[in-house]
Amino acid sequence: GENVGLHLPTLSVQEGDNSIINCAYSNSASDYFIWYKQESGKGPQFIIDIRSNMDKRQGQRVTVLLNKTVKHLSLQIAATQPGDSAVYFCAETPGYSTLTFGKGTMLLVSP
Amino acid sequence: SAVISQKPSRDICQRGTSLTIQCQVDSQVTMMFWYRQQPGQSLTLIATANQGSEATYESGFVIDKFPISRPNLTFSTLTVSNMSPEDSSIYLCSVEGDRAYGYTFGSGTRLTVV
Repeated sequence: GENVGLHLPTLSVQEGDNSIINCAYSNSASDYFIWYKQESGKGPQFIIDIRSNMDKRQGQRVTVLLNKTVKHLSLQIAATQPGDSAVYFCAETPGYSTLTFGKGTMLLVSP
Repeated sequence: SAVISQKPSRDICQRGTSLTIQCQVDSQVTMMFWYRQQPGQSLTLIATANQGSEATYESGFVIDKFPISRPNLTFSTLTVSNMSPEDSSIYLCSVEGDRAYGYTFGSGTRLTVV
């Protein structure tokens, strides 16, 4: 399939390392944030979300941190695996309406 | 979460022609969204389609170029009209999810205009 991340910033890690992907959002009124994973040839896949009344949320191997003061969102992936290689997008919305996507980061995991 | 079927999955079209993309959802949803993802780029919202009303278009997108239908709560179409090579992109359908799963996306339609 085509490379959806051709022009995106890239994070290269070794298998087993922890990965941190960062995102700056723009709308101070946004109160719901989502991280998506997009593999080549596929649509975005939901990973984890967080609401503005929280600053941290954990899932399976993933953690999202929200800093509303500086409008910053991060996705931490523990023990990164080759199957985690993909493009990762953050998205924001005020009042659970239309989503605005960030620019995206390509994660490359080497065995 | 909802399951979305999007057709066609890919197409190669001649400039000046039009292509209609279909989005079928396995459950009734109020809001459906159409996005464009240009090569190597992020997703940009084209319009929001609610059943029984005109679609709401984002800045830079117009109905004449991207007409949308929303005949019922499980189906929508996006037409890319009078195509040029600049319209070569991935077009994605999305629906509001329940609050446990955010918004769900279809697998996309990969359009190449030659």
